[in-house]
Amino acid sequence: GAGVSQSPSNKVTEKGKDVELRCDPISGHTALYWYRQSLGQGLEFLIYFQGNSAPDKSGLPSDRFSAERTGGSVSTLTIQRTQQEDSAVYLCASSSRAGNTEAFFGQGTRLTVV
Amino acid sequence: GNSVTQMEGPVTLSEEAFLTINCTYTATGYPSLFWYVQYPGEGLQLLLKATKADDKGSNKGFEATYRKETTSFHLEKGSVQVSDSAVYFCALSDPPGAAGNKLTFGGGTRVLVKP
Repeated sequence: GAGVSQSPSNKVTEKGKDVELRCDPISGHTALYWYRQSLGQGLEFLIYFQGNSAPDKSGLPSDRFSAERTGGSVSTLTIQRTQQEDSAVYLCASSSRAGNTEAFFGQGTRLTVV
Repeated sequence: GNSVTQMEGPVTLSEEAFLTINCTYTATGYPSLFWYVQYPGEGLQLLLKATKADDKGSNKGFEATYRKETTSFHLEKGSVQVSDSAVYFCALSDPPGAAGNKLTFGGGTRVLVKP
């Protein structure tokens, strides 16, 4: 596709359930980011993939959060045993390489834990 | 580690007013600096960037100058329009070749322009 695609766009889940959020980056982009945007808050870095390097997981808030990127393309963010504080918009972005190049953002997945 | 601090909003202005959003950063070396904008109901998009000291980024009437001596990248627009109502994010990344190049964002500043 022409841009970064995220699915689902909205997800409502019950507390304690696991969820998977998907990100399709722009074809050929080697860098992929996940961020979280809580209501009225800024962007919280979660995880960063760059090519075949080990991902930077320093932003993951707990061990309930994990992410993988298969074949250097699609990425899945998994949240296990969701809690109400996980409710937020999860944003994915990709760039052609890291550093001073533009990152393109998807529309995000709005997660609501009830 | 890297950090970005920007002024808290919301900032409410009248049309044609002058807008300044302050942004300061902490980083090692010479990071690249960005302003991203999020219009209502839309995703984040790059507004402008600067990659070295004294560079000026500009787009859509907005400008920001990379000031190494004050570690700042303030966003300015001389005459805002209602369509400029959005949330603005300042961000930085390490330069190419550095070990960690992820984008670090400020908290965002909501701007509301009234007719």
